[in-house]
Amino acid sequence: DAGVIQSPRHEVTEMGQEVTLRCKPISGHDYLFWYRQTMMRGLELLIYFNNNVPIDDSGMPEDRFSAKMPNASFSTLKIQPSEPRDSAVYFCASSTQTSGRSSYNEQFFGPGTRLTVL
Amino acid sequence: DQQVKQNSPSLSVQEGRISILNCDYTNSMFDYFLWYKKYPAEGPTFLISISSIKDKNEDGRFTVFLNKSAKHLSLHIVPSQPGDSAVYFCAASLLTGNQFYFGTGTSLTVIP
Repeated sequence: DAGVIQSPRHEVTEMGQEVTLRCKPISGHDYLFWYRQTMMRGLELLIYFNNNVPIDDSGMPEDRFSAKMPNASFSTLKIQPSEPRDSAVYFCASSTQTSGRSSYNEQFFGPGTRLTVL
Repeated sequence: DQQVKQNSPSLSVQEGRISILNCDYTNSMFDYFLWYKKYPAEGPTFLISISSIKDKNEDGRFTVFLNKSAKHLSLHIVPSQPGDSAVYFCAASLLTGNQFYFGTGTSLTVIP
């Protein structure tokens, strides 16, 4: 398996522009997580899906952020409009539930998208 | 509010010596803890975990210790190797939840 795939790997944009980050989870995984990594806050969970349904989006910082999972093999995280403080590395991770609780199961992370908003 | 804290942003250790990475948490309802390792330009990868019913778990050179009364866990790497140089994230999860709460990470440098 190719693992979790994220695109693009790097994104540089100007303030006010729309940014779309993409993720393909590992086939067969039914949980998908979006994280943001910053020096100050480490890895923050933004939102997670189970069977394509958003379960908890309490980590989404503002209405400027939105995420979708139209099918089991694709998810997007959109920022509109983008701001310089959104600059960070964004990770997608996927996992599956085999023991009654998904958090007992390893989350597999993609390589991340480094976003720079000028 | 940060529920999982790693107060040491960086740590340097000589090759062959022990590396000790520390993690504190505030939520007494956390019952499962993990360490992830991250190399530059890569995503984090799972390293080792421990359930709250245990106080120690070993996997080769890596041992995680849990002190529930102090809400503290630590990762010991013995002996440390240059290939262990990476950022280490501590994470925790709740009995009733599906998500991990991560710390800010500790950057470990093992000096040859």
